[in-house]
Amino acid sequence: EPEVTQTPSHQVTQMGQEVILRCVPISNHLYFYWYRQILGQKVEFLVSFYNNEISEKSEIFDDQFSVERPDGSNFTLKIRSTKLEDSAMYFCASRRDRLVAKNIQYFGAGTRLSVL
Amino acid sequence: SQQGEEDPQALSIQEGENATMNCSYKTSINNLQWYRQNSGRGLVHLILIRSNEREKHSGRLRVTLDTSKKSSSLLITASRAADTASYFCATDARIDQGGKLIFGQGTELSVKP
Repeated sequence: EPEVTQTPSHQVTQMGQEVILRCVPISNHLYFYWYRQILGQKVEFLVSFYNNEISEKSEIFDDQFSVERPDGSNFTLKIRSTKLEDSAMYFCASRRDRLVAKNIQYFGAGTRLSVL
Repeated sequence: SQQGEEDPQALSIQEGENATMNCSYKTSINNLQWYRQNSGRGLVHLILIRSNEREKHSGRLRVTLDTSKKSSSLLITASRAADTASYFCATDARIDQGGKLIFGQGTELSVKP
């Protein structure tokens, strides 16, 4: 069964460093998302991406964050200068259908980002 | 902004018993979904119910939706130890906003063998 793949599974970085989290969505999917989950808290929406541009972004997704789909398969989240509070599990998700009734999103296993 | 809130926050039951989790939200929705998360893993979609539906079944899962009360419940019948996980409800609003999902805090279910 096709699945969303995320790498790395765990990323440790120093505060102020740039990180790139990588995702390979399901191949025939058209909509892509990043969410994050701080330990013990709920999953929060960061950004949605469709047709090579951002559809919507949350207040969390400030100028330090960017997303890119550099080729036909990868979808990346970059954090330019990490802060301690960026430590969280980051999930990539993808969705195939545009129809409202079929907004089922398929999630990757996540990348745990630890900022020291 | 819409927000899902589940209760209870934690639920511990014996294998074979039924587990009921509730979710409330604040704004109008298109769909409400339930996802499952095993410890340290990603979210797995369980079931989607549309705003014009009242009840939906999938295997041992039964979901109800009451849009007048802005609430939903997830019932897992004849629970198994393998059902131990966190369960989240998620809502979405207008599709032209990109279909973002708003998640609740989750219910941590523990099923004891």
